[in-house]
Amino acid sequence: EAQVTQNPRYLITVTGKKLTVTCSQNMNHEYMSWYRQDPGLGLRQIYYSMNVEVTDKGDVPEGYKVSRKEKRNFPLILESPSPNQTSLYFCASRADLKNIQYFGAGTRLSVL
Amino acid sequence: AQKVTQAQTEISVVEKEDVTLDCVYETRDTTYYLFWYKQPPSGELVFLIRRNSFDEQNEISGRYSWNFQKSTSSFNFTITASQVVDSAVYFCALSDWGGYQKVTFGTGTKLQVIP
Repeated sequence: EAQVTQNPRYLITVTGKKLTVTCSQNMNHEYMSWYRQDPGLGLRQIYYSMNVEVTDKGDVPEGYKVSRKEKRNFPLILESPSPNQTSLYFCASRADLKNIQYFGAGTRLSVL
Repeated sequence: AQKVTQAQTEISVVEKEDVTLDCVYETRDTTYYLFWYKQPPSGELVFLIRRNSFDEQNEISGRYSWNFQKSTSSFNFTITASQVVDSAVYFCALSDWGGYQKVTFGTGTKLQVIP
C-alpha cells in the first residue's frame, strides 16, 4: 500500500530540546516536502527536496532543518524548538512534476 | 507570486442542501495546476481533484462538482445534497507548471453539515 509515514503522531516537548520528526515514503518518489498548518493560515511549505541531497527552503524555513540522505526518508529537525513552532506538521511526496502529492497523517507538535 | 484566497472561513448548511466553496487564485503563470483537498476531523489530507489550466471543462464526481473559470481566476467546488460526512475543512491549492512546481494553499473553508 502506497504510504507516507510520519512519526511521531503527537509530541509534547519543551523549549530548546532538539527533536526530529521522521517521514518515510514507500513509493520511490523523488519529490518530498514539509508543511506546517496553523489556524487561519492554511498549509505553508517549510522545506522541500527534489531528490537525494537536493533540498531548498520553502516559505517558512526559519528554525527548521532537513536532510535527504536516502530517497525514501526526509526528516524534519528542530534544533532548538520554540513555542511558535507549536503546529500541525505534514510531510508529502510525489513522483514527478505532474503528479499529486500524497500526505502523511500529520504530526501534532506542542512546544512548552 | 502565487496567491489562493478562500474568503469563506466557515460555512454551515443543513443536510441535503447544496453548498459551494469559493476559491480565487492569482498567478503570473499561463500554465498551472489547481487542486482541492479535504481534511476531515481526523486530520488527514485527502486529495479530491487536480485541474490543469488548459482544461476549463467542469468536472463532476458523484455529488461533487468543480467549476473552473480562467477568466475570473476561480475554481469553485460544489457539494450537492450535502451529508454529515462532508463536514471537514476544504483547501484549494495552486501550483505552477515548471521547475519545482511549488504548491500554494488557501487558508481553508470549514464546512459543517448539520443533520
